[in-house]
Amino acid sequence: NAGVTQTPKFQVLKTGQSMTLQCAQDMNHNSMYWYRQDPGMGLRLIYYSASEGTTDKGEVPNGYNVSRLNKREFSLRLESAAPSQTSVYFCASSEQSGTGELFFGEGSRLTVL
Amino acid sequence: GENVEQHPSTLSVQEGDSAVIKCTYSDSASNYFPWYKQELGKGPQLIIDIRSNVGEKKDQRIAVTLNKTAKHFSLHITETQPEDSAVYFCAASGYGNNRLAFGKGNQVVVIP
Repeated sequence: NAGVTQTPKFQVLKTGQSMTLQCAQDMNHNSMYWYRQDPGMGLRLIYYSASEGTTDKGEVPNGYNVSRLNKREFSLRLESAAPSQTSVYFCASSEQSGTGELFFGEGSRLTVL
Repeated sequence: GENVEQHPSTLSVQEGDSAVIKCTYSDSASNYFPWYKQELGKGPQLIIDIRSNVGEKKDQRIAVTLNKTAKHFSLHITETQPEDSAVYFCAASGYGNNRLAFGKGNQVVVIP
């Protein structure tokens, strides 16, 4: 039972490079989320998708784009990486948005030099 | 939007003692309050949650209490064990209850 799978687990980028973080869930959940976790800042929502075909901004969307490819997959793209985007990124899913259990992936540690 | 604050930021307890973490929230319309536990190198995992129509919920050694009037809710861990050492996040369903707002997290250290 895989749950939520994120790739890659680790990535080092140079400033200005682009990359995509991939996320897939096998629980048939409607809603998917991308969070970033920084020391002393907790979990901050970047973007979310309440259902297939919709995406909405969270607290910290600047510098990111997302694609809800299908019900299973939700990707996060950094078009031009900046050192301020060095963080641990978590993908999560839930049966419905807002008031249901979130299932998190193991995280992707990104360093931007 | 919703603002969730957690206190204290770090908590050290002797094994066997109780630990209490308190969170406050700002949006009186929030109606769902979960607690997540994050172990080192892993993603957060739900340990207990409470909805606004109840004041307390218990699951073995953990319990959550909710005071809607004062807009705060607390996590209680009794008979703490070393495996309780982790970061704990509270959250509230603000933003029209469409998504969760998380607190900054509490580091709990259980001293054997």
